[in-house]
Amino acid sequence: DAGVTQSPTHLIKTRGQHVTLRCSPISGHKSVSWYQQVLGQGPQFIFQYYEKEERGRGNFPDRFSARQFPNYSSELNVNALLLGDSALYLCASTREPHEQYFGPGTRLTVT
Amino acid sequence: LAKTTQPISMDSYEGQEVNITCSHNNIATNDYITWYQQFPSQGPRFIIQGYKTKVTNEVASLFIPADRKSSTLSLPRVSLSDTAVYYCLVGDGTAGNKLTFGGGTRVLVKP
Repeated sequence: DAGVTQSPTHLIKTRGQHVTLRCSPISGHKSVSWYQQVLGQGPQFIFQYYEKEERGRGNFPDRFSARQFPNYSSELNVNALLLGDSALYLCASTREPHEQYFGPGTRLTVT
Repeated sequence: LAKTTQPISMDSYEGQEVNITCSHNNIATNDYITWYQQFPSQGPRFIIQGYKTKVTNEVASLFIPADRKSSTLSLPRVSLSDTAVYYCLVGDGTAGNKLTFGGGTRVLVKP
């Protein structure tokens, strides 16, 4: 079975721009979570979606938003990019109830 | 969410067994314990998960004492490719399946 996939792999944006990151969960998994990992730190939880409903939100500003589609894939959107948004963005899908499997991540660089 | 404490780093040699202990004194009744491995610029990889006693899979063992206030990840006969950061997490699988990552343990396997 294919694992969690994310696109794009790498992305370079300018401050103030908007970005959309995409994630496809493992087949059969209905829950998707997003994490931000800044260099040298552990991943920080941003959102979780289950059956298209938001089930959890971390301590991130409203510039961050997400949604989940009927096929359980998901998008993370970030508006008005700041230099501090540069990070590895990770998507994880859940084999209920507890096991989360991560994708390879999208490396976002904001210049 | 229960906070975890793990050593910042550990060194080992090829072929040795590596044991990483994680403290989680305020673990809740419904919390599970999960360990992840992460290589630079990659997503965390699920290693093992348990609730109590001992769990073993093809790559690791997880020992959890009766009071569940700590857990030990055991990696048998490590190789150079096991050099990575290892994260211990606790969570109850609800509230959005939010995972709170700490700083992790940086394991260096030497030849």
